[in-house]
Amino acid sequence: GAVVSQHPSWVICKSGTSVKIECRSLDFQATTMFWYRQFPKQSLMLMATSNEGSKATYEQGVEKDKFLINHASLTLSTLTVTSAHPEDSSFYICSAGGLVDYGYTFGSGTRLTVV
Amino acid sequence: ELKVEQNPLFLSMQEGKNYTIYCNYSTTSDRLYWYRQDPGKSLESLFVLLSNGAVKQEGRLMASLDTKARLSTLHITAAVHDLSATYFCAVNGGTSGSRLTFGEGTQLTVNP
Repeated sequence: GAVVSQHPSWVICKSGTSVKIECRSLDFQATTMFWYRQFPKQSLMLMATSNEGSKATYEQGVEKDKFLINHASLTLSTLTVTSAHPEDSSFYICSAGGLVDYGYTFGSGTRLTVV
Repeated sequence: ELKVEQNPLFLSMQEGKNYTIYCNYSTTSDRLYWYRQDPGKSLESLFVLLSNGAVKQEGRLMASLDTKARLSTLHITAAVHDLSATYFCAVNGGTSGSRLTFGEGTQLTVNP
């Protein structure tokens, strides 16, 4: 089946630093990657949609300069949280979207804690 | 804007009992998905429902879709403790295109 590998699983960083999260599609080409954020006891909130080779589309209220998304190849998409602050602490999940046979495949998630 | 509502949001049930989780959505959709999430983990795909009247079953879980009523149900039969998790439905289509819109989630606790 389709697998999306997400790294790191968890990261602790100091306030003001940047953190990069990677999602790789292991056995298929992910034309589109979705990035979600999930706060405790809440649902998934879509942050942005990235398409290979083009600029990401951000949801309303998501700062594009703070959450940098790069989707330079069909197998790799990255999310960089720049100048992280404690309020950015959350669970970030990527998903390769809309595959005919598999629907949406989710990465394992990254727990970000900013101290 | 596509909206997805689940109920109940919290469900505590005894082992061996049956219950149903409901998922309503606001506009025409291509597909409906059910996912399970364990604490601290990502989403696990349970079912993909593609058309009106679709019914899928896996173990003690059965999902159905009524596109005319814009309603999907996730039925739990003879619940066991291992089913304790949060269950999400999600829908795509309409003006949202391929983007998934999630329900709020139903936190299920199965007590011995």
